[in-house]
Amino acid sequence: DTAVSQTPKYLVTQMGNDKSIKCEQNLGHDTMYWYKQDSKKFLKIMFSYNNKELIINETVPNRFSPKSPDKAHLNLHINSLELGDSAVYFCASSQDFGTGSNTIYFGEGSWLTVV
Amino acid sequence: QKEVEQNSGPLSVPEGAIASLNCTYSDRGSQSFFWYRQYSGKSPELIMSIYSNGDKEDGRFTAQLNKASQYVSLLIRDSQPSDSATYLCAVNNYGQNFVFGPGTRLSVLP
Repeated sequence: DTAVSQTPKYLVTQMGNDKSIKCEQNLGHDTMYWYKQDSKKFLKIMFSYNNKELIINETVPNRFSPKSPDKAHLNLHINSLELGDSAVYFCASSQDFGTGSNTIYFGEGSWLTVV
Repeated sequence: QKEVEQNSGPLSVPEGAIASLNCTYSDRGSQSFFWYRQYSGKSPELIMSIYSNGDKEDGRFTAQLNKASQYVSLLIRDSQPSDSATYLCAVNNYGQNFVFGPGTRLSVLP
């Protein structure tokens, strides 16, 4: 069983399109995240939700909109895709948000290529 | 700006040697420290976590933490070619997000 699963794994799309990436975790965790990893492999937080509530919203364009229908799901919608959005997007989850022994678990990643 | 820094590498070691990976962080309030391994084209996977000053050993891996120096390291003993990957240091402050370093690329030569 995949603990954190995200779809699609690969996505090639044209500039200006709108696309969504879906994420689900079956670990019973309260907190979910979206990270972006660019071509230099730098992993950077985008959003974090705790029990469906937005906790972290880093400086990302408004074209990116997360949505958490329940604590097991966190989707990412991207409007008007640009070439610079090409990256790997990782969904992740952790048990809790405010405890020191937290550990974060990643999904397999979604490779987005904008052409 | 809370930062985590690592040498980008590549760090090359011969098979059987000890690989030493280093990480420094800027936020003195950081409480939890993690090492992740990421193979090319794969997602990061947790190797070790450490919360207290000192050493923590797990098999061939030893994590070392020095909060006074804001320094955390990972030693890999008896390095194997299968250890060749990018190693990401991550730091967590209570109630904050996990901040990752840029990663160190390790190459273990047969």
